[in-house]
Amino acid sequence: DVKVTQSSRYLVKRTGEKVFLECVQDMDHENMFWYRQDPGLGLRLIYFSYDVKMKEKGDIPEGYSVSREKKERFSLILESASTNQTSMYLCASTADLNSPLHFGNGTRLTVT
Amino acid sequence: DAKTTQPNSMESNEEEPVHLPCNHSTISGTDYIHWYRQLPSQGPEYVIHGLTSNVNNRMASLAIAEDRKSSTLILHRATLRDAAVYYCILREKGNQFYFGTGTSLTVIP
Repeated sequence: DVKVTQSSRYLVKRTGEKVFLECVQDMDHENMFWYRQDPGLGLRLIYFSYDVKMKEKGDIPEGYSVSREKKERFSLILESASTNQTSMYLCASTADLNSPLHFGNGTRLTVT
Repeated sequence: DAKTTQPNSMESNEEEPVHLPCNHSTISGTDYIHWYRQLPSQGPEYVIHGLTSNVNNRMASLAIAEDRKSSTLILHRATLRDAAVYYCILREKGNQFYFGTGTSLTVIP
């Protein structure tokens, strides 16, 4: 089975801090995604990567950046955390864009 | 944009079949229809996906309308463990999977 692991389940950070959310997948998938999930808004795509060092913006990239230096790892970076970035963050991967997405269990980030 | 419309919530009695509908009237000819479910405090879990023909797997069946503008996820015998939010999603803009807000399924013992 594909395993997508997010490094932290819960995270509390202060406004203005730089925050790193890490995601690792073990199935050599080309494509990796970062979503945020908020009540009433569903899952919204922040960034997507289809190969090492390649990235594309999703619907809501403002305030975020990403890094993909190795195929198995996709990092989401909040350069200067703000309270409106308090959310559940979900990482996913897939072998190709017509195959199922595999999700991690999420990181619940609180910015105070 | 190809987007999906689902009822906000549905209820089912335990051990009865459940039909979860999804409308996707702007679907393109090459887009697969995916279904995922999300249990509390977990990430979404893949259920099933298909292109044109009806699909079956150990978890569920997917019935796709002939014009592909709608689909139905069928759980043949609902159990309490099937209580979750179910998402019908399409891939759009080449790489974005649009999730929407899904259908919250309540299973009544």
